[in-house]
Amino acid sequence: SQQGEEDPQALSIQEGENATMNCSYKTSINNLQWYRQNSGRGLVHLILIRSNEREKHSGRLRVTLDTSKKSSSLLITASRAADTASYFCATDRAAGNKLTFGGGTRVLVKP
Amino acid sequence: EPEVTQTPSHQVTQMGQEVILRCVPISNHLYFYWYRQILGQKVEFLVSFYNNEISEKSEIFDDQFSVERPDGSNFTLKIRSTKLEDSAMYFCASIAEQGAGELFFGEGSRLTVL
Repeated sequence: SQQGEEDPQALSIQEGENATMNCSYKTSINNLQWYRQNSGRGLVHLILIRSNEREKHSGRLRVTLDTSKKSSSLLITASRAADTASYFCATDRAAGNKLTFGGGTRVLVKP
Repeated sequence: EPEVTQTPSHQVTQMGQEVILRCVPISNHLYFYWYRQILGQKVEFLVSFYNNEISEKSEIFDDQFSVERPDGSNFTLKIRSTKLEDSAMYFCASIAEQGAGELFFGEGSRLTVL
């Protein structure tokens, strides 16, 4: 697979449930970031985790990074219908370098 | 809150025509990027720009593409002779400094080539 591949590709859950999605990458990274995209809209930055960090929290978001497995996970707790969107991981190999995006996970939160 | 703005939001053009997509990055940002997203596919890097020159470009960014910062605010992407496969959402992004991490993206310009 290519740098930054998310799984699952699609996820459907009920409001209030947790949503977990994973991202795997191939090469060493500097940072890993998660972005959200509502249908037809721009990318909104959610959270950044540096290669020397293992876990990070922001509100209802929890991100983990395992550099030995070259993988990251994004957990959205107590999901809401408004969390319905596509979620992308993106990596950069050195500070200031381009971001390489994964294919995204489409999350549907049913009310 | 400062934001990256892009115009037009949607452009329809005929194959072979020139297109210019415009972006106004956040005012104190120094690094600028163009990405594109073909419908239903990944967001792909096109080009990065710093200090009035291209710092990196992808294989997609061939001779048909060019970028320019004609004044202190606008950052443009020009496609010289559009092809059907250029149909995509084009996103502009900016960042204040290297290593700052978060890229700020605009809402995108949807280009449809007929």
